[in-house]
Amino acid sequence: GAGVSQSPSNKVTEKGKDVELRCDPISGHTALYWYRQSLGQGLEFLIYFQGNSAPDKSGLPSDRFSAERTGGSVSTLTIQRTQQEDSAVYLCASSVAGGRETQYFGPGTRLLVL
Amino acid sequence: DQQVKQNSPSLSVQEGRISILNCDYTNSMFDYFLWYKKYPAEGPTFLISISSIKDKNEDGRFTVFLNKSAKHLSLHIVPSQPGDSAVYFCAARRLSSGNTPLVFGKGTRLSVIA
Repeated sequence: GAGVSQSPSNKVTEKGKDVELRCDPISGHTALYWYRQSLGQGLEFLIYFQGNSAPDKSGLPSDRFSAERTGGSVSTLTIQRTQQEDSAVYLCASSVAGGRETQYFGPGTRLLVL
Repeated sequence: DQQVKQNSPSLSVQEGRISILNCDYTNSMFDYFLWYKKYPAEGPTFLISISSIKDKNEDGRFTVFLNKSAKHLSLHIVPSQPGDSAVYFCAARRLSSGNTPLVFGKGTRLSVIA
């Protein structure tokens, strides 16, 4: 596709349920990032994939959060046993590589945990 | 502890006048700075960047100024147009440390009044 796509665009779930959020990066981009934006906050880094290297998971807020990137392309962010404080917009970005190159963001998934 | 701060949550400017958005950072290791623009229900889009070896970068109506000694950068938009109304995020990273994620401020909502 022409840009980064994310699905679903909106997700409402009940506390305690697991959710999966998907990101399709721009074709050929080797770097992929997940961020989240809680209400009234800036974008908070979660996890970063670069090629075949081990991902940088330093931003994941708890062990309920995990992410995979299959085949160096599509990525899935999984939140287990969701809590109300997980409610946020989850944004995915990709770039050609992981250095100075511009990060291109998807439209985000709006997650609401009731 | 916020490393990138945008202390003005909102700014209103008349069409045709200059918009000045400010950003402060605390981490002296940051060496690359970016501004992103975000419309509602869309992901952030890259606007302009500046390396720490420069103090000014200009791109059309947009100019970013960097004052390393004050750990301060600003984005100037002149002349401001109604289409510039959006949330502007300041971001920083440590390129010299390898592939590091962007650290974002909380954003400033700019409203350009016709």
